[in-house]
Amino acid sequence: KAGVTQTPRYLIKTRGQQVTLSCSPISGHRSVSWYQQTPGQGLQFLFEYFSETQRNKGNFPGRFSGRQFSNSRSEMNVSTLELGDSALYLCASSLAGAPNTEAFFGQGTRLTVV
Amino acid sequence: GQNIDQPTEMTATEGAIVQINCTYQTSGFNGLFWYQQHAGEAPTFLSYNVLDGLEEKGRFSSFLSRSKGYSYLLLKELQMKDSASYLCAVRDFHSGNTPLVFGKGTRLSVIA
Repeated sequence: KAGVTQTPRYLIKTRGQQVTLSCSPISGHRSVSWYQQTPGQGLQFLFEYFSETQRNKGNFPGRFSGRQFSNSRSEMNVSTLELGDSALYLCASSLAGAPNTEAFFGQGTRLTVV
Repeated sequence: GQNIDQPTEMTATEGAIVQINCTYQTSGFNGLFWYQQHAGEAPTFLSYNVLDGLEEKGRFSSFLSRSKGYSYLLLKELQMKDSASYLCAVRDFHSGNTPLVFGKGTRLSVIA
């Protein structure tokens, strides 16, 4: 069974540009969550999608957006990039429903903004 | 609000036992998870606790006290490969399925 796949693995962008990251969840998983991980702040929740709808949203500016497709694949977009957006972006997929459902993480996309 | 606290760093000796603590304050509670993350890799699931008490899984055990908002991860017979970050995460139940809220993680270094 394939795991969670994130592309690209590494990305370098310039301030002011925009970027799109992709996440393919484990087959059968309908919930996809996105997290930003930095050394100082740890894992911070961005948003969660379930059945193409944003179900939960973290405390990030509107420059961060996402969407989910009918095949459960998800993308997140960051517009007008700032230096502080440099981070590891992790995607996690899970089966919907039970609270004890564990989240399976992808390897992440390392974004560097210069 | 939500607040999850863990020590930033810990060091322990190969073969020893180490306990990593996590305290949390959330508006609701629907379970606590521990994840392990090696440098440059994805976090991987270690344990889940929703009821008070100890859950044992091989060399790793996790404990929960809901009344105290406290959990710990116990690692026995430490091995060099246990050097990693350990992430405590809480599912804060509002309605339906809610996402995990993570602490900043504890970086464990195992030395010979």
